[in-house]
Amino acid sequence: QKEVEQNSGPLSVPEGAIASLNCTYSDRGSQSFFWYRQYSGKSPELIMFIYSNGDKEDGRFTAQLNKASQYVSLLIRDSQPSDSATYLCAARRGDNFNKFYFGSGTKLNVKP
Amino acid sequence: GAVVSQHPSRVICKSGTSVKIECRSLDFQATTMFWYRQFPKKSLMLMATSNEGSKATYEQGVEKDKFLINHASLTLSTLTVTSAHPEDSSFYICSARNRATDTQYFGPGTRLTVL
Repeated sequence: QKEVEQNSGPLSVPEGAIASLNCTYSDRGSQSFFWYRQYSGKSPELIMFIYSNGDKEDGRFTAQLNKASQYVSLLIRDSQPSDSATYLCAARRGDNFNKFYFGSGTKLNVKP
Repeated sequence: GAVVSQHPSRVICKSGTSVKIECRSLDFQATTMFWYRQFPKKSLMLMATSNEGSKATYEQGVEKDKFLINHASLTLSTLTVTSAHPEDSSFYICSARNRATDTQYFGPGTRLTVL
C-alpha cells in the first residue's frame, strides 16, 4: 500500500465548474499536507498546504483535511483551461520533518 | 513563494561523461534538500535526501557512487551523475525545505539527455 494514494485520472471538468481532487493517506503520523500543481514538462509548484482539520481557502482553491478519515482534498472553483495539469498530494510525518510522501498525481483536464 | 533555482536547465552529454547539477535556495536557508527524478508521464521518484554538512541519505535502489550528492552550504546542493549512460536520461528535480514555513519548494528541473 502506498503512503499517499491518488486517482490518476484524467478528471475532466468543463470550464467554470468545480474540480474536486482527492487524496488518501495511510500513515496516521502524517501531520502536514501539501498540494502541488505540475504542468507537463515542468517541475511541481506549491499551491497550498494544510495542517488542521477543516477547510482552508486561498483564492479559487480550497484544501480540505479530515484526519479521522485520512483524506485530503483540493477544490478548484471556476476551473479554467489553464488549471489543466497534474496535481500532486503530499504528506509529511510529524516526527520526521524531512520525510515527505508524494502521491502519483491526478491529471486534470478543464475543457473550454 | 520561495525561490529555488537549478542549473543547468538542460544538458546533453556523451555516454561516459559526468554531469553536475546545482540546486540553490535563493531566499531562504535550506538545511535539507531533496533530489528527485521523473520519467515522462511518471510520478516523482525520490532519489536522496541531502542534509547540509552531512552525508546524503539515499533511497533504496539508488546507487550512491553513481549519483554523488554534496550539500556544502545552506543554500547549495549538487548532484553529479557519474559516468552517465543513456538510461540516466531523465528529468532531475531538486527541492529545498524551508524550515520557517515547513514547506518544500521545487526547482525548475534539469533535463538530462545522454547520447
